[in-house]
Amino acid sequence: NAGVTQTPKFRVLKTGQSMTLLCAQDMNHEYMYWYRQDPGMGLRLIHYSVGEGTTAKGEVPDGYNVSRLKKQNFLLGLESAAPSQTSVYFCATNAWTSGGDTQYFGPGTRLTVL
Amino acid sequence: DAKTTQPPSMDCAEGRAANLPCNHSTISGNEYVYWYRQIHSQGPQYIIHGLKNNETNEMASLIITEDRKSSTLILPHATLRDTAVYYCIFKGSSNTGKLIFGQGTTLQVKP
Repeated sequence: NAGVTQTPKFRVLKTGQSMTLLCAQDMNHEYMYWYRQDPGMGLRLIHYSVGEGTTAKGEVPDGYNVSRLKKQNFLLGLESAAPSQTSVYFCATNAWTSGGDTQYFGPGTRLTVL
Repeated sequence: DAKTTQPPSMDCAEGRAANLPCNHSTISGNEYVYWYRQIHSQGPQYIIHGLKNNETNEMASLIITEDRKSSTLILPHATLRDTAVYYCIFKGSSNTGKLIFGQGTTLQVKP
């Protein structure tokens, strides 16, 4: 199993350009998340999804849109990139157990906006 | 928002036990304590979690105080590969699984 994969691994954009980050999972998990991590900081939640066709805002949603058309994929879009969106983006899925839950993270996408 | 307090950094000698403290004085009765770590900008990795009893798995042990206001993550025999940022997080099991990360503790394991 590949677990959680993210495409692309690196990207450089110019201010105002758009792009879509893809997160794919093969664990059949319902819940998926997008986080961003700025240098020296912990991760912050952008958007999340509790199932196919659903999305919800997290802590820092402004400037981003998401879609979950298929259970295995969660897309993060930047319509008009800004330098403040330079960050590392992590996708995660969630597995529920009888005594809590566990999140599985992808390797990250490093985005630079010039 | 769920708020934990951790020391910003700690050192540990290779082969010795690493004891990482966390204060979570505002935790409520149905909220679990979770530990994740992040090695060199990779995606965070789950380590362990617990409610009120001490827990142990193949990676670590978790000791939660009786009043549940603090906990300690123990790596029994730290190796150089345990050098990472360790995050302590608490949350309920009935929410949407969202994790709220603080700044964590940077553990440096030294030879």
